Amino acid sequence: KAGVTQTPRYLIKTRGQQVTLSCSPISGHRSVSWYQQTPGQGLQFLFEYFSETQRNKGNFPGRFSGRQFSNSRSEMNVSTLELGDSALYLCASSPFGVSSGNTIYFGEGSWLTVV
Amino acid sequence: GDSVTQMEGPVTLSEEAFLTINCTYTATGYPSLFWYVQYPGEGLQLLLKATKADDKGSNKGFEATYRKETTSFHLEKGSVQVSDSAVYFCALLGGGNQFYFGTGTSLTVIP
Repeated sequence: KAGVTQTPRYLIKTRGQQVTLSCSPISGHRSVSWYQQTPGQGLQFLFEYFSETQRNKGNFPGRFSGRQFSNSRSEMNVSTLELGDSALYLCASSPFGVSSGNTIYFGEGSWLTVV
Repeated sequence: GDSVTQMEGPVTLSEEAFLTINCTYTATGYPSLFWYVQYPGEGLQLLLKATKADDKGSNKGFEATYRKETTSFHLEKGSVQVSDSAVYFCALLGGGNQFYFGTGTSLTVIP
């Protein structure tokens, strides 16, 4: 069974640009959640999507957005990039969502560097 | 709001030493508690979890007990191996149905 797949794995962007990251969940999983990992702040929750609807959102500015498609694949977008957005972005999938208490499965992440 | 505070690293131990990584939490209600592990170059994996007070989660020789009176969920292992070298994250799933993670503790085990 394939795991959670994130693309691209590594990317470098310039301040002011925008970036789109993709996440393909485990087959049959309907929930995708996104997290930002930085050395200073650790792992912080961005948002969760379930069946194409945003179910929950963390405390991030509106520059961070996401969506989920009918096949459960999800994308997150960051507009007007700032240096502080440099981080490892992780996505995780689960069958019924974070609130169900089921195990969530993480991808390997997308490393974003903003210069 | 909900939060997790875990012991800062890095931690370096010799093989077969005893491991404790401290984790305390602040939460309203009765959260579920988790330990995740991140091996080099990989995503996070669930190590163990506990969903109510006094529950003990265990896996691969690691244990943690949900202590409501001390709001703690310390991770322990009696005899660490080189293969346990990784970053360990304590986390809670709070009433807002989102995960709150600690900042992670890096463990290096030397032969």
